[in-house]
Amino acid sequence: DTGVSQDPRHKITKRGQNVTFRCDPISEHNRLYWYRQTLGQGPEFLTYFQNEAQLEKSRLLSDRFSAERPKGSFSTLEIQRTEQGDSAMYLCASSPGTGGYNEQFFGPGTRLTVL
Amino acid sequence: QKEVEQNSGPLSVPEGAIASLNCTYSDRGSQSFFWYRQYSGKSPELIMSIYSNGDKEDGRFTAQLNKASQYVSLLIRDSQPSDSATYLCAVEGNTPLVFGKGTRLSVIA
Repeated sequence: DTGVSQDPRHKITKRGQNVTFRCDPISEHNRLYWYRQTLGQGPEFLTYFQNEAQLEKSRLLSDRFSAERPKGSFSTLEIQRTEQGDSAMYLCASSPGTGGYNEQFFGPGTRLTVL
Repeated sequence: QKEVEQNSGPLSVPEGAIASLNCTYSDRGSQSFFWYRQYSGKSPELIMSIYSNGDKEDGRFTAQLNKASQYVSLLIRDSQPSDSATYLCAVEGNTPLVFGKGTRLSVIA
């Protein structure tokens, strides 16, 4: 079983540009999560999907952020009109979502730098 | 605001010693508790999960949970230099995972 994969691993963009990240979860994992992590902090929850349904979004999530999981498999996270404060590691995780236990496994992350 | 608190460290222990990492949480409804290890520049790696009061052992790692005290800990026996990393405590209840800021562990050879 391959792990969670994310693409790209690094992204440098100029302020005001749009960026899109992709996450491929562990196969047959129903739940997919997006987190953001900055230096010295733990990962901060952004949003999650159960299959193709987006079930929860953080109240801290700006409306410049949007996520999709159209077929219940891979997911994309788009940030519009990027700002320097968006610079962070964006992490994707997946979990089985069944059986009462929800162990989440993380991908390698996408490091975003906004100039 | 649901919170997870950890001592940021660094916690320094000699090679072969027991490292003890602690975490407290604010949400009494929390049901699932996890420890992740994160090396510098890498993503978090799940090392332990615990769901009921008591101890859970896996190799050199032991997780301890006390829901009455809202406290979870991780013990690492026979610490090795390769254990040097940041250890993140994560708690889940009726909300998605909430992470602490992590404790940086340094194992000195």
